[in-house]
Amino acid sequence: GQNIDQPTEMTATEGAIVQINCTYQTSGFNGLFWYQQHAGEAPTFLSYNVLDGLEEKGRFSSFLSRSKGYSYLLLKELQMKDSASYLCAVLDSNYQLIWGAGTKLIIKP
Amino acid sequence: NAGVMQNPRHLVRRRGQEARLRCSPMKGHSHVYWYRQLPEEGLKFMVYLQKENIIDESGMPKERFSAEFPKEGPSILRIQQVVRGDSAAYFCASSPEVQNTEAFFGQGTRLTVV
Repeated sequence: GQNIDQPTEMTATEGAIVQINCTYQTSGFNGLFWYQQHAGEAPTFLSYNVLDGLEEKGRFSSFLSRSKGYSYLLLKELQMKDSASYLCAVLDSNYQLIWGAGTKLIIKP
Repeated sequence: NAGVMQNPRHLVRRRGQEARLRCSPMKGHSHVYWYRQLPEEGLKFMVYLQKENIIDESGMPKERFSAEFPKEGPSILRIQQVVRGDSAAYFCASSPEVQNTEAFFGQGTRLTVV
């Protein structure tokens, strides 16, 4: 079967750095997405990785290792507004998005 | 260029009634996906449609649920004879012809069955 694993919840301090991990087992791989979802709102796109390595975009970076079936989202200089759920999703061989359950990130002052 | 539009934003139905959820994809997007999200849970894929075609409905319950994406007009997710367990947020996403690009989400319809 297809499986995406992420921690259920993480807590971090304002101004700090946090890494949210995602491991996947899917039938084929055509890329991995990270989305941010604030409570009661729609998911919004953060990043897309299809090749191994680190993609940096401002305070957010995303890393992919296809051989390990592993990705992480790195958030730097955390702000209170970063409190949200972070969703990992993999595009499988049928170009179907397979979603993880999301990681709820709580930022404390 | 308007984003993905879903309506209504909130829908309340009594048990046994029908619920109709509408989704207008972004201009130029011909792929539509419907997802259900229960409180504190992740997105669950329901159905993937292109204009006038259902491509993948493997995530949709076999009974009471149906979806369409006509040549003209929005995509419709229809739930007949709703039950309390249907209460959830239903999100629609669209993507352009090239499928390996980001999906843009609508604001969702929150269905409450009383």
